[in-house]
Amino acid sequence: RKEVEQDPGPFNVPEGATVAFNCTYSNSASQSFFWYRQDCRKEPKLLMSVYSSGNEDGRFTAQLNRASQYISLLIRDSKLSDSATYLCVVRPGGGSYIPTFGRGTSLIVHP
Amino acid sequence: DAGVTQSPTHLIKTRGQQVTLRCSPKSGHDTVSWYQQALGQGPQFIFQYYEEEERQRGNFPDRFSGHQFPNYSSELNVNALLLGDSALYLCASSLADGQPQHFGDGTRLSIL
Repeated sequence: RKEVEQDPGPFNVPEGATVAFNCTYSNSASQSFFWYRQDCRKEPKLLMSVYSSGNEDGRFTAQLNRASQYISLLIRDSKLSDSATYLCVVRPGGGSYIPTFGRGTSLIVHP
Repeated sequence: DAGVTQSPTHLIKTRGQQVTLRCSPKSGHDTVSWYQQALGQGPQFIFQYYEEEERQRGNFPDRFSGHQFPNYSSELNVNALLLGDSALYLCASSLADGQPQHFGDGTRLSIL
């Protein structure tokens, strides 16, 4: 099993739709979790950190499920500009500084 | 406030050559990490520098080496280039370990 797994997609949704991505991780001792967005041939940009209690930033909601070892990202009212690849990042903590990126989930929002 | 800057943006090399990539972290950031991103994959951690020392290293051979300078800028060196080294090389900086990382635009390295 890979350390961090994501469905590569693509998820093809119409404008205004709600879409959710999951990201599973194998290390139960993982401490920090993030979602990044990466546009084609550009650098990853931090979208949001993921907190234990879940957190929301506008149309975006991130959640952590430690029992099942996954994090999720929910996008409401999708915009054309949301089209991108969404990368999840998991850091183990406990003295290890190595963050592990998933391969990303591709989202295409169409008119 | 300048973000993370990397140079060069593009580079073409041939097998066996050596390359040096450069990174200036975001102002105030003291921790620099390097990643390799192949097409269709997520970034793979190469190593991280803090206080001019390599703090941790990912699963990359010794051909990959680095350096951090007193001003926190960093270099990534790759020796004996292989075709498989063709990728986007990303530098990321953070204020401290555990904090979210900010990425530069990357250097796109092509090996012929």
